[in-house]
Amino acid sequence: AQSVTQLDSHVSVSEGTPVLLRCNYSSSYSPSLFWYVQHPNKGLQLLLKYTSAATLVKGINGFEAEFKKSETSFHLTKPSAHMSDAAEYFCVVSERTGTASKLTFGTGTRLQVTL
Amino acid sequence: DTEVTQTPKHLVMGMTNKKSLKCEQHMGHRAMYWYKQKAKKPPELMFVYSYEKLSINESVPSRFSPECPNSSLLNLHLHALQPEDSALYLCASSQVGGRANTEAFFGQGTRLTVV
Repeated sequence: AQSVTQLDSHVSVSEGTPVLLRCNYSSSYSPSLFWYVQHPNKGLQLLLKYTSAATLVKGINGFEAEFKKSETSFHLTKPSAHMSDAAEYFCVVSERTGTASKLTFGTGTRLQVTL
Repeated sequence: DTEVTQTPKHLVMGMTNKKSLKCEQHMGHRAMYWYKQKAKKPPELMFVYSYEKLSINESVPSRFSPECPNSSLLNLHLHALQPEDSALYLCASSQVGGRANTEAFFGQGTRLTVV
């Protein structure tokens, strides 16, 4: 079975400084990986997905992630944090189940952005 | 239209009540999902429908009864729930038949409180 591990449950950064949210995956074959964001009392929004076409994936709101097979990692980064980035971030792995997909979520990383 | 709409947004119900959660999408997606999310936890898969047929039931208690009346609608019927069933219930949809890296679109969720 595939799984993802988010290495930090809570990350705090100052506004304007870089963001790094770490995710390692476990998969016996090329995984399908995503990052989703959840603002308080809201649903989940897709930030970006790894499609195997490129190892550096650009997403919305200035976020990007790099797939590193040698390190089994898919870390999420942003050059400069904004107050509106404060939210819960989930690293997710997907596997096909018949004609649908089953998403397995990491435990989440809460990003706090301070002035 | 990339929206998944869930109603109601909030629901308080007694342990003897019967209620239903509703989910609607008009993206032409033929896979629909129910997830349950407890406070400060990641979403957990409950059910998957593919082409309006139940394809995955993650050993969910029978007091939760899903229904997919057509390709745009997904319901979750609730009966005789327990206080520990209080959670955010998320609906999602995705394309079918594609690769595992097909993203899922989530609704805003229904915040359920069982009293």
